[in-house]
Amino acid sequence: DTEVTQTPKHLVMGMTNKKSLKCEQHMGHRAMYWYKQKAKKPPELMFVYSYEKLSINESVPSRFSPECPNSSLLNLHLHALQPEDSALYLCASSYGQLLNYGYTFGSGTRLTVV
Amino acid sequence: AQKITQTQPGMFVQEKEAVTLDCTYDTSDQSYGLFWYKQPSSGEMIFLIYQGSYDEQNATEGRYSLNFQKARKSANLVISASQLGDSAMYFCAMREEGNSGGSNYKLTFGKGTLLTVNP
Repeated sequence: DTEVTQTPKHLVMGMTNKKSLKCEQHMGHRAMYWYKQKAKKPPELMFVYSYEKLSINESVPSRFSPECPNSSLLNLHLHALQPEDSALYLCASSYGQLLNYGYTFGSGTRLTVV
Repeated sequence: AQKITQTQPGMFVQEKEAVTLDCTYDTSDQSYGLFWYKQPSSGEMIFLIYQGSYDEQNATEGRYSLNFQKARKSANLVISASQLGDSAMYFCAMREEGNSGGSNYKLTFGKGTLLTVNP
């Protein structure tokens, strides 16, 4: 299995809703990532988990709350989002810190906040 | 300063011709890795090719090759025999060795080049 699976593929939520994005991989990767990508822009790193511990938080607003329940799963909990948070959210994983380990990306969740 | 610079917002190429997508990078680390990804309109990021800073040979993967010029800090992607399915956004990205705090987990992207292959 060489895939990163993200669900749902599309999500529309109101500003008062609570929702979660899910990401799963079974490649034995020990680092997992959340990226946010606005239209026609490059992906921007949000969070990094290494061995199930939060390693990097790129000063992301607290309305985004990541969780790594185990080495295969990564969640992103969403609460009280703003319309400007509408974007493609990409999950990725990698073996770890060695530089030649690129990322394997999921196909993303397209989030629309109304 | 930008770590990854892609100066071509858009490129056009005729089917079956070769095309070069430019990428320059900025780092003070001796050890780093350079990557190219393809992103079709569907949104998925597809890994294409990798070049390590200590690799002496240019990387090749099928129709993709990386023209690595370390002294000029450039890592251009060459796509040979373009196909209609190559139409997509292409991102150059870099991982640096960094210092501590997990900084070498970060994959930094350029702004991308939108490639259109014409029949």
